[in-house]
Amino acid sequence: KAGVTQTPRYLIKTRGQQVTLSCSPISGHRSVSWYQQTPGQGLQFLFEYFSETQRNKGNFPGRFSGRQFSNSRSEMNVSTLELGDSALYLCASSHRDNYEQYFGPGTRLTVT
Amino acid sequence: AQSVSQHNHHVILSEAASLELGCNYSYGGTVNLFWYVQYPGQHLQLLLKYFSGDPLVKGIKGFEAEFIKSKFSFNLRKPSVQWSDTAEYFCAVNAPEDFGNEKLTFGTGTRLTIIP
Repeated sequence: KAGVTQTPRYLIKTRGQQVTLSCSPISGHRSVSWYQQTPGQGLQFLFEYFSETQRNKGNFPGRFSGRQFSNSRSEMNVSTLELGDSALYLCASSHRDNYEQYFGPGTRLTVT
Repeated sequence: AQSVSQHNHHVILSEAASLELGCNYSYGGTVNLFWYVQYPGQHLQLLLKYFSGDPLVKGIKGFEAEFIKSKFSFNLRKPSVQWSDTAEYFCAVNAPEDFGNEKLTFGTGTRLTIIP
């Protein structure tokens, strides 16, 4: 079975721009979660989607948004990028609320 | 605030030494507990998990963890480490208020360096 895939793997953007990151979960997994990983703050939960519905949201500003499609693929969007948004963005998928999350390789976002 | 604490930020051991990494959480009630590992250049991988039952759980690659409810702890152990265990280790909690969704709250991680 293919693992969680994330595209693109690396991204460089300028302050004020917006960015969209994509995540394809493991086949059959309906839950997709997003995390931000930085050296200073560690891994922080952004949001989780299940069957196209957002079930939980972390403590991030409204500039961070996401969605899930009917095939369980998910995207997250960050608008009006700030330097502090530079981070590794991780996507994880799981099957039927068993809490075992499988992580993708991440998208490394650099904001200049 | 509810949190997960990993007090060891960087641990350096020689091969064959025993390992114990600490994890404490501050949530009351039932929690689901996890240890994840991130090898250099690789994805986060699940090492082991505890939901209920036997408080001593075994995971992959010879790792085990013990849940001690009275101490709010879930320490990771390995009797004899190898150079290939060099990685960053994260403790994570699925807290009671997050049951029914997949949110994990992570500790800050412990970087483990094994000297051959």
